[in-house]
This record gives sequence, C-alpha cells and structure tokens, in this order.
Amino acid sequence: GAGVSQSPSNKVTEKGKDVELRCDPISGHTALYWYRQSLGQGLEFLIYFQGNSAPDKSGLPSDRFSAERTGGSVSTLTIQRTQQEDSAVYLCASSLVPRTSGGASTDTQYFGPGTRLTVL
Amino acid sequence: DAKTTQPTSMDCAEGRAANLPCNHSTISGNEYVYWYRQIHSQGPQYIIHGLKNNETNEMASLIITEDRKSSTLILPHATLRDTAVYYCIVSQSYNTDKLIFGTGTRLQVFP
Repeated sequence: GAGVSQSPSNKVTEKGKDVELRCDPISGHTALYWYRQSLGQGLEFLIYFQGNSAPDKSGLPSDRFSAERTGGSVSTLTIQRTQQEDSAVYLCASSLVPRTSGGASTDTQYFGPGTRLTVL
Repeated sequence: DAKTTQPTSMDCAEGRAANLPCNHSTISGNEYVYWYRQIHSQGPQYIIHGLKNNETNEMASLIITEDRKSSTLILPHATLRDTAVYYCIVSQSYNTDKLIFGTGTRLQVFP
C-alpha cells in the first residue's frame, strides 16, 4: 500500500519568504509527527498530532513555525519569514495509534521521504 | 527520559552478520527499544522493536539483555544495501510517541 508522502521533495526559497510543506500520512493513521534533520545532524522532533489536535508542540523552534492538520489526514507545516538556519530536511511520520496513556502498548512510526528545504 | 549509547561507526563484510550494540541503562520498565535505519538521503526506515523478549522479523533480530540495559540488533547476512545509519531509540513519554534520535551507528558494509 501507499506509504507516507511529502511534497515538495525539494524547496529552495529566499530568506524572509514563507514556505508550506505538506504531508500525506498512511490512510487510517491517526497520529502524525513532524521532524527535521539539519545537515549532518540527527533527527529533531517538532510536533505531534493526534487527529486534528496537537497535544505536543514542544519541538517547534520558534513562533515562525506552525502546523495544522485537517480531516485527520493531511498536515501542513508552515515556516514564516524563513531564515538560513531553517535549511534542513523536514520529515513526516505517521502511526496507526499513539501509545495509550500509562500503557505499554505502542505503535510503529513510518516515515516519508522528506522535503529538503534550502533557504538562500 | 532514557538515553541510548551506540558506537559511532562499524564495518561489516558482505554476507557476514552485523551485530550493532546499544546501551540503554536508564530504560524504564514499560519503555520499548526501537531500531530504525536511515539510508543516505532517505527517511528513516523502521526495522524492529521489543520490550523484553528477543524479537525476529524478516529484516533483523533484536536481542535484549535480561536486565534490559542493553540490546543488540543483528542483521544475519549483511548486504551492500544495508549500509546506513542505524538508530537505537528508547520510547518516550506516556502521552506522545515522539522518537528521540541520537547520533546512531554508521554501518559500512564492504564487498
């Protein structure tokens, strides 16, 4: 079946411009996550959605970053007034269900191919 | 939050078993051990996960010590396509499943 898809695959923008990155999760997956990976660095968590709500936004680096999810499916990550330090690969992942509170159950996250953002 | 320690890099000959170690000495009783890998320029790929029992799937085996303070990912017959960065991750809080990636082990499989 189809995996997580992201668009665009590459985005080059000028400093100060706004960008929107899109993620289409696996159909039926209720949980959606955004991460980013700067050059030569590990993956950094940004935000987590359960349905259309975002109970964990702790990884968003500044108020220039925002994300929304509609219809429990597609998500958009928006970066306003981009800066050169925003250059990175932005990765989206989805999972069927998140871990229930206090429980030991869990579910696997499946990642998309990422969007490579370059801010000139 | 539990943290993991992995060697920075490892080499393995094609066709041989690759054994990738991971230390997670502060793991909590209900935290899972996950393994992902990232092949150059691709998104992370799920490999396997476990709680306390050893696990095996079509990709790999996961051996978790009895005290759960360390684990080993085993690729039984490494191929050149297994060259990647391998991440050992201990799952996080009760309320989110966010994955905290460390620096991982860069596995180089050579002919």
